[in-house]
Amino acid sequence: GAVVSQHPSRVICKSGTSVKIECRSLDFQATTMFWYRQFPKQSLMLMATSNEGSKATYEQGVEKDKFLINHASLTLSTLTVTSAHPEDSSFYICSARLFTGGTGELFFGEGSRLTVL
Amino acid sequence: AQSVTQLDSQVPVFEEAPVELRCNYSSSVSVYLFWYVQYPNQGLQLLLKYLSGSTLVKGINGFEAEFNKSQTSFHLRKPSVHISDTAEYFCAVSVQAAGNKLTFGGGTRVLVKP
Repeated sequence: GAVVSQHPSRVICKSGTSVKIECRSLDFQATTMFWYRQFPKQSLMLMATSNEGSKATYEQGVEKDKFLINHASLTLSTLTVTSAHPEDSSFYICSARLFTGGTGELFFGEGSRLTVL
Repeated sequence: AQSVTQLDSQVPVFEEAPVELRCNYSSSVSVYLFWYVQYPNQGLQLLLKYLSGSTLVKGINGFEAEFNKSQTSFHLRKPSVHISDTAEYFCAVSVQAAGNKLTFGGGTRVLVKP
């Protein structure tokens, strides 16, 4: 199956710094990627839809200036958590859409665990 | 807007016993339905999906699910679980296309006991 890779898998940073998480589709091109956030023992909440070559579409309640998304190529989307604070600590998961001649399928990355001290 | 409810937050089960994870959804339009599994500190892996056609869907690792439109349910079953099935299971729906954004249920943690 298609592979989506996230980097880094774990990151610890100090409060006030910015952190970038990368999501790459390794063996296919993805015009659309999705970013999810997962709190401990909870479900995944969609944060935004990342569209190659255009601005991301954010879900209601997600701060655009806090969570910067860039989808500069067909295989890479990045999520930058700006001025991170402890409440931003979470597990961030991306998914990429692969069109297989029909309606497509989503493939998920391994996730990135962010800990803000 | 659509929503997904997983009725059981945790399901303990003995090895080689059957398991059923319940999922109900709410939507004013037709949906596509999915079950994903998540192992600790990992992303999600697709178990199975319902797009159209037969309401009984077979997936990987011996799992199957049945779409019931009248009851708006998509319960997941496995006749005999293994220790390795211990994980978090998520039911999800998509209303526009199978490759579009998903709405997830709260998840069900399955703990398989020896």
